[in-house]
Amino acid sequence: GAVVSQHPSRVICKSGTSVKIECRSLDFQATTMFWYRQFPKQSLMLMATSNEGSKATYEQGVEKDKFLINHASLTLSTLTVTSAHPEDSSFYICSASRTSPYEQYFGPGTRLTVT
Amino acid sequence: EDKVVQSPLSLVVHEGDTVTLNCSYEVTNFRSLLWYKQEKKAPTFLFMLTSSGIEKKSGRLSSILDKKELFSILNITATQTGDSAIYLCAVGDNYGQNFVFGPGTRLSVLP
Repeated sequence: GAVVSQHPSRVICKSGTSVKIECRSLDFQATTMFWYRQFPKQSLMLMATSNEGSKATYEQGVEKDKFLINHASLTLSTLTVTSAHPEDSSFYICSASRTSPYEQYFGPGTRLTVT
Repeated sequence: EDKVVQSPLSLVVHEGDTVTLNCSYEVTNFRSLLWYKQEKKAPTFLFMLTSSGIEKKSGRLSSILDKKELFSILNITATQTGDSAIYLCAVGDNYGQNFVFGPGTRLSVLP
């Protein structure tokens, strides 16, 4: 149990376009979903935390107008990178947690390449 | 400010060695400490610890938490090259909302 999926797993887009990444909890209801970004050889950087039905809480330094997060249901959260630029190229990982036992389950990640 | 510190940041050992990875934390409203193994993609969950002194084991891996001294260790015995990865420690708060990750320990196991 506790499987989280992400789609797409890999995406290449042109500079200036927008990209949407989906994160789904497949067999449980996730009251909270997290979006992380990882740069090569570095740890995870939390971008934002989202609760179903409410606005996401962004970490300091993360542009909320650029990284739009929607948590429409207890099993789906989306991250939209708007007007993507090459510096947005990265590995984006989502995770989901249940109210108990406070674990996070990670999705497999999405590799975004902006050309 | 909540923080999680891991040491060492990098470690190189040979197959068969035993390693101990450390994670210390300063977090308000501590609820749980989690260990993850990250290879090429997203981290995979290893352990969740909530109580002091209770060792969790999975094969050659084991972990224990000390809530008084605010740290946890992850032991790997008889290491194998497949253990090479980044090991992440994260601490969750009492509401299941906020997690703070450490920088990770990059473990390299040489044949």
